[in-house]
Formats: sequence, structure tokens, C-alpha cells
Amino acid sequence: QQQVKQSPQSLIVQKGGISIINCAYENTAFDYFPWYQQFPGKGPALLIAIRPDVSEKKEGRFTISFNKSAKQFSLHIMDSQPGDSATYFCAASLSRTGNTGKLIFGQGTTLQVKP
Amino acid sequence: EAGVAQSPRYKIIEKRQSVAFWCNPISGHATLYWYQQILGQGPKLLIQFQNNGVVDDSQLPKDRFSAERLKGVDSTLKIQPAKLEDSAVYLCASSPKMRPDKNIQYFGAGTRLSVL
Repeated sequence: QQQVKQSPQSLIVQKGGISIINCAYENTAFDYFPWYQQFPGKGPALLIAIRPDVSEKKEGRFTISFNKSAKQFSLHIMDSQPGDSATYFCAASLSRTGNTGKLIFGQGTTLQVKP
Repeated sequence: EAGVAQSPRYKIIEKRQSVAFWCNPISGHATLYWYQQILGQGPKLLIQFQNNGVVDDSQLPKDRFSAERLKGVDSTLKIQPAKLEDSAVYLCASSPKMRPDKNIQYFGAGTRLSVL
């Protein structure tokens, strides 16, 4: 019940295209859903995050869509650029006071954006 | 501000040997995390500290792994003895305080461990 399942495992997109990565969770108590971006040889870095009281959050070219009833959320990268080539991880946690804020990560998606 | 510092960056050892990793979190960050990232998988939390106290070590293999955070700042993670399946990147992360609702974790570059 603590798992977060991520797909696809890898993704190749042409420059200017839309990249879509999907995640599904089981624990309905999760209430914080961040996406992390990781470049080779670097640690993950927070990209964007959402809470289940909203269905969508947009920051620049990055958008999270959240479907509470389906227990799914997705990352959309609009106008994908070669510099977006990286591994993306979705995560989930319990963020209410009294919890530790432990992040449960998905398996990761390696994105390659071709010029 | 300086990021999370980890050393060494790479370590190669033989099975049954011991190894230690060091982490210096961002100044002022009360919460420190150690994650294990096996190739092709997402990071898995091993242990979480709040200041120098352990908050969560439920996934730490305590028969061989140990961690400490002296004076609530630097931390070391030790493996003794190492097994082949311990080959992974060990990531350290820190966050300002245990405010789960503001839980932005800042990661170091990690230590890549190869056990032969």
C-alpha cells in the first residue's frame, strides 16, 4: 500500500513535443505529491509538487495533473527541450503534522529529448 | 548557499569489507535523510534524523548498516560487512526542519558504491 508505480520506464520525445509521465498510488492518505528531476551524476532536485485539493498545477512548461478518484497523477512537459533530458521521479508522502514526511519514490522515467 | 556535501563520490570494495560515507547537510537544516538508490530504481529511505535523533529507520538493514548524526550536523553511514547487493548510490538529503507540509528535500550528488 506504500508503493508508487511509475510509467513508462523510458521515453523518447522530439524537441518541441509533449512528454507525459504517469504515476499511480494506493495509499489514499498520501497528501503531497512531488516530482523530482535527476541529471546523471547529480542528486534529485525538486521540480514541482501538488496537493490533492487541486486537480492541476502549472509552473512554466511543467504541469502536474492530479486525479484523486483514480489515485493517479502525471507530469506533462510542454515544448520539451534537449536540456530536459534526465530521469524523472514521482513521489508521495504523508505531510500532515505528526508524520515524518517520508517520501515514497516511483521507479523513475528516463526521458530523452531528441534535437 | 552551499548544497549538501557528500564524500567520497565513488567507492569500490570487496564483499565483506566495511565502508563509510559522510554527509554534511545544508547549514541550519534540522532533518537529514539517507537514501539508497539501486540502478534503475527510485531512492529508498534508509534512515531519517531530526537533529541528532532517529525519526525513521524502519528500512535500514540494522545487522549491517549503521548511521549516526553527531551534534545534529554531519552524518556518517556505515556498512559492515558489505554484500554484493549493497552496490548502489547512497544519497544524503536535508530539509530545513521536519515540516512535512513544507517538505522540500535537498539532495547531495551521492556516493556510488560498487561491491565486488
